[in-house]
Amino acid sequence: ETGVTQSPTHLIKTRGQQVTLRCSSQSGHNTVSWYQQALGQGPQFIFQYYREEENGRGNFPPRFSGLQFPNYSSELNVNALELDDSALYLCASSRLGSGNYQETQYFGPGTRLLVL
Amino acid sequence: QKEVEQNSGPLSVPEGAIASLNCTYSDRGSQSFFWYRQYSGKSPELIMSIYSNGDKEDGRFTAQLNKASQYVSLLIRDSQPSDSATYLCAAYGSSNTGKLIFGQGTTLQVKP
Repeated sequence: ETGVTQSPTHLIKTRGQQVTLRCSSQSGHNTVSWYQQALGQGPQFIFQYYREEENGRGNFPPRFSGLQFPNYSSELNVNALELDDSALYLCASSRLGSGNYQETQYFGPGTRLLVL
Repeated sequence: QKEVEQNSGPLSVPEGAIASLNCTYSDRGSQSFFWYRQYSGKSPELIMSIYSNGDKEDGRFTAQLNKASQYVSLLIRDSQPSDSATYLCAAYGSSNTGKLIFGQGTTLQVKP
């Protein structure tokens, strides 16, 4: 158990709808990163949040957006859902240390999203 | 060329044997490397991190890093059926955005 929690565990939506996924980071961590993992593939980086701002972003369209709260928890919002958004969504927390050193990321259990 | 490449397998080894998993990366600026294990339907679980050239051992696991060859490997000694999973190699890119770049994973099957 990493101490990173995610909710919900499973979700079914229809095309065009919007979804919000939630993540609580491990104690002592100050960053949250989100990944999308399609079946049979490695996780793909969506973005990282640090100090409530987006610190880096992968190759995902603007309909993928996020928030980080003062307690370091985070939300991932996806608008205008498409069938290809069906995937396992992973949240990982870590520390960004002095000198902007990225420490190890620890993953939560994930949210499995199915878009019909 | 993929940024982090792994052979998808499956790699099949008998129980008690050594399993050798390999990974190459393209970004010469990458400094931190990780091996995660992922059981079917579960999330990635950290096994090892490695930052310096050479070997790093933790129990039955040994990670090896060769930055000149841009090569990372994971050896699992005395493989057990419970080691059957997908092993993901990951590296931080040099951009320091928190982006972990993953390979597609190697599926390991340990046969009793």
